[in-house]
Amino acid sequence: EPEVTQTPSHQVTQMGQEVILRCVPISNHLYFYWYRQILGQKVEFLVSFYNNEISEKSEIFDDQFSVERPDGSNFTLKIRSTKLEDSAMYFCATGTSSYEQYFGPGTRLTVT
Amino acid sequence: GDSVTQMEGPVTLSEEAFLTINCTYTATGYPSLFWYVQYPGEGLQLLLKATKADDKGSNKGFEATYRKETTSFHLEKGSVQVSDSAVYFCALREKSSGDKLTFGTGTRLAVRP
Repeated sequence: EPEVTQTPSHQVTQMGQEVILRCVPISNHLYFYWYRQILGQKVEFLVSFYNNEISEKSEIFDDQFSVERPDGSNFTLKIRSTKLEDSAMYFCATGTSSYEQYFGPGTRLTVT
Repeated sequence: GDSVTQMEGPVTLSEEAFLTINCTYTATGYPSLFWYVQYPGEGLQLLLKATKADDKGSNKGFEATYRKETTSFHLEKGSVQVSDSAVYFCALREKSSGDKLTFGTGTRLAVRP
């Protein structure tokens, strides 16, 4: 069964550094999402992406964050200058429609 | 805004026990409701869903009924197995709020042999 994959599984970075989290969607999926879960807290929506543009973003998704599909397959989340509070598990989700979302295993980001 | 409230965990049960995980929601419209499960080291997997009042979602022996009058979507299973040990997330999606899912905090279930 096809799966959404994410790399790396764990990323450790220093405060102020840029990180790029990568997601490989299921091949025929057109809708893409990023969520995050700070340890012990709820899974929170960050951004949705369709037709090569952002459909919706949360207030968390400020100018430090960006998303793109650089090669038409991978879907990336970039954090330009990481802060301690960006430490979280980041989940990518994709779907053929806006109705069902299939999640990847997540990338644990640790900012030191 | 929209929100989902789940019962606090962890929930610890013996194998073959009956499971209920409570979930209630607040929404301005008529959301679709979901249960996701996260097994250790894996991502969130859709377990079941319901799109309108009185719909019952079911999968792998789990069931949940969309109760509009009580704004609830409680997850149940008649006989749990050790392999059901995981974290369970209740979520809603309201079309007027876009495609995003709004999640509860998750409830950890541990099943003892």
